[in-house]
Amino acid sequence: DVKVTQSSRYLVKRTGEKVFLECVQDMDHENMFWYRQDPGLGLRLIYFSYDVKMKEKGDIPEGYSVSREKKERFSLILESASTNQTSMYLCASSFTYPGQGSNIQYFGAGTRLSVL
Amino acid sequence: DQQVKQNSPSLSVQEGRISILNCDYTNSMFDYFLWYKKYPAEGPTFLISISSIKDKNEDGRFTVFLNKSAKHLSLHIVPSQPGDSAVYFCAAKISNFGNEKLTFGTGTRLTIIP
Repeated sequence: DVKVTQSSRYLVKRTGEKVFLECVQDMDHENMFWYRQDPGLGLRLIYFSYDVKMKEKGDIPEGYSVSREKKERFSLILESASTNQTSMYLCASSFTYPGQGSNIQYFGAGTRLSVL
Repeated sequence: DQQVKQNSPSLSVQEGRISILNCDYTNSMFDYFLWYKKYPAEGPTFLISISSIKDKNEDGRFTVFLNKSAKHLSLHIVPSQPGDSAVYFCAAKISNFGNEKLTFGTGTRLTIIP
């Protein structure tokens, strides 16, 4: 079974704090993703990575950065947390599909972050 | 600019009846579509997908229909069961090699009434 593990289920942080969200996958997937889920807005892609040390901006990268030093681990960093970053954060991973189609993205259980 | 839209935020269906969830997209480059299901406090899980070369794909109680000319897809669940109560997201993809980026819709919360 594919497992994507997010280090925390719930986090409460103060405005201005630096926040690290960690994600680990155990299936040797090339691709890893960070999304946030907000009511009425669905899942929005923050950043993704298709290889170690590689990163690509998603649709809403502002205020975030990422790090991928090892293939199995993808970290999301909030350099200076703000209240509008209160959200559910979801990590996912997948293989690269060789043709038309898509390999399944497997998701972690999510981290609910509250910034006060 | 929401390229994938689910215009119904919620839907209630009687147990045993058919549930129909709809999704519209605007980007004609999308050529692969997926549905994910999400329970509270869990991550989304893959349900079913369809390539743009098909107009229908079926897997047990779940069928996805694609109407490319209308840029519309729908997920049919029949018969609906209480365990189907969840939030459903449609997602779309442009199939270039190495591009695994998905664009998700806003989700529809399905409630199955016993």
